[in-house]
Amino acid sequence: AQSVTQLGSHVSVSEGALVLLRCNYSSSVPPYLFWYVQYPNQGLQLLLKYTTGATLVKGINGFEAEFKKSETSFHLTKPSAHMSDAAEYFCAVSVSSGGYQKVTFGTGTKLQVIP
Amino acid sequence: EAQVTQNPRYLITVTGKKLTVTCSQNMNHEYMSWYRQDPGLGLRQIYYSMNVEVTDKGDVPEGYKVSRKEKRNFPLILESPSPNQTSLYFCASSPERTANYGYTFGSGTRLTVV
Repeated sequence: AQSVTQLGSHVSVSEGALVLLRCNYSSSVPPYLFWYVQYPNQGLQLLLKYTTGATLVKGINGFEAEFKKSETSFHLTKPSAHMSDAAEYFCAVSVSSGGYQKVTFGTGTKLQVIP
Repeated sequence: EAQVTQNPRYLITVTGKKLTVTCSQNMNHEYMSWYRQDPGLGLRQIYYSMNVEVTDKGDVPEGYKVSRKEKRNFPLILESPSPNQTSLYFCASSPERTANYGYTFGSGTRLTVV
């Protein structure tokens, strides 16, 4: 079985500061990893994903994430926070093996950007 | 516009009254799934479907039913809703027969059971 842990349910950063949202996963088979963003009263939107290949993945809105297998981590970063980045962010892991398919989400991190 | 459409957006119902939340996607996606979102618990998978007529349970299937008679539609049925099913529900789809490509989500259905 796989699991996802997001450290910190709330993170506050100043506008212009580095954004770092942490995600650790566990999986018995090679996972696919995702970050989604949810703005208030909206559905989730895919930010970026890791499938195979390059471990540094770039997404929309200037976000990127690095897959570190040895640390079982997939942290999300952005060099300079903008007010419009205030939202809730979810890390997710997708695993498929034979007829088995499962997607597990973390509990989310709310990002507050302080002017 | 490529999208996943859920209806209704908001629903208040009484305990025991059967209801259906519809989900339709116009992207010819193979994989569809239902999630519920509760504060502090993130998103939990209710059911998923990798193909027409193929459905399987997720983590929290109790009290829910689904069907996939056509590729584009994946309705969620609550035969006898209870207050603990008050939640925000999302339908999602993915192009392949897995969710490994990533999801397109609907806008959500906020359900209140009194």
